[in-house]
Amino acid sequence: ELKVEQNPLFLSMQEGKNYTIYCNYSTTSDRLYWYRQDPGKSLESLFVLLSNGAVKQEGRLMASLDTKARLSTLHITAAVHDLSATYFCAVVSGGSQGNLIFGKGTKLSVKP
Amino acid sequence: DTEVTQTPKHLVMGMTNKKSLKCEQHMGHRAMYWYKQKAKKPPELMFVYSYEKLSINESVPSRFSPECPNSSLLNLHLHALQPEDSALYLCASARAEMVVDTQYFGPGTRLTVL
Repeated sequence: ELKVEQNPLFLSMQEGKNYTIYCNYSTTSDRLYWYRQDPGKSLESLFVLLSNGAVKQEGRLMASLDTKARLSTLHITAAVHDLSATYFCAVVSGGSQGNLIFGKGTKLSVKP
Repeated sequence: DTEVTQTPKHLVMGMTNKKSLKCEQHMGHRAMYWYKQKAKKPPELMFVYSYEKLSINESVPSRFSPECPNSSLLNLHLHALQPEDSALYLCASARAEMVVDTQYFGPGTRLTVL
């Protein structure tokens, strides 16, 4: 059974600082997704990572994937308040192409 | 247009009511999904439709009944729900179930069962 673990689950950081969110998964998968969710809102797609060594960047966020270690990271550079949200990683279950298994989410709070 | 729409935004229903949630997309996607999300928890998959056929049912109780009348529309019929079914119900779509692609999520329906 595929398990997805994120850490930390809560992250309070100051504006201007850097930090990394980690996502580990237990079995082989060929796709990993990062989503952002604002309180009471839906999920916004941030990144799709498809291969070992994949790195994608959008603004202050950069995501990477190491399929051998079964690890993805979401790096935040020079955080700003607008990045405050919950970030989920999700992995496709190997036995079912459509089944996304989500991590528990990391609630990020960026303080001035 | 990368939009998935859901109606209603909010729904309050009693345990004996019958109601339906509606999801629509006009992106030509052939895979559509229902997820349930409880407060402060990640989304959990309920159903997957692929080319208008039910592909995955994640052991969801029969009081939830999905329907895919055409490739753009997905319904979730609700009957005799329990208070613990109160949650945010999210619809998503993707080009196809087997395609390496992003699932696009709708805004969700916040359901309260009294």
